Amino acid sequence: GQNIDQPTEMTATEGAIVQINCTYQTSGFNGLFWYQQHAGEAPTFLSYNVLDGLEEKGRFSSFLSRSKGYSYLLLKELQMKDSASYLCAAYTGRRALTFGSGTRLQVQP
Amino acid sequence: EPEVTQTPSHQVTQMGQEVILRCVPISNHLYFYWYRQILGQKVEFLVSFYNNEISEKSEIFDDQFSVERPDGSNFTLKIRSTKLEDSAMYFCASSPRDNQETQYFGPGTRLLVL
Repeated sequence: GQNIDQPTEMTATEGAIVQINCTYQTSGFNGLFWYQQHAGEAPTFLSYNVLDGLEEKGRFSSFLSRSKGYSYLLLKELQMKDSASYLCAAYTGRRALTFGSGTRLQVQP
Repeated sequence: EPEVTQTPSHQVTQMGQEVILRCVPISNHLYFYWYRQILGQKVEFLVSFYNNEISEKSEIFDDQFSVERPDGSNFTLKIRSTKLEDSAMYFCASSPRDNQETQYFGPGTRLLVL
């Protein structure tokens, strides 16, 4: 079966750093995606990790440990516009993404 | 920047009616997908499509659903006889040949079945 877990909600302060964790157990695994989704809008691609380690892209970084079935998304210098849901999704090689339920991040002033 | 487009943005239909949701994937992309998201729930995979045929489909994608690429630009999802539980946001996505894992999503069609 496919199981992807991430916290339901998180709150952080503008200018701070926040880490959103994701654990996965999937039958077949090729890589881990992070998407951002504002309410009522489409998921927007943020990052894709295939190999273990940290990938940095501006204010956003994503980490993957395949042996632990674990990933995190790190957001630095938080801005109000970063308030959104962050979706962890596993690519199992079947041309389908399996999404977690998403973490709703609220950035406060 | 090229993007996936979807029409209509909203659709209201009566239970039992057929609906067709339309998508125009990014022009040089070769892989196409449909996902749905019931309000407040996770995004769920429905179907992937490549080379004019279905590559993968989920258990949600039963005989009531079909997909088609009627021409070189459009990709459609048809629901033959809608049910109340088909009410959801339907997202189309596409990915390019040289990076087929990364899927770019359209803005979605919100379907409400009454």
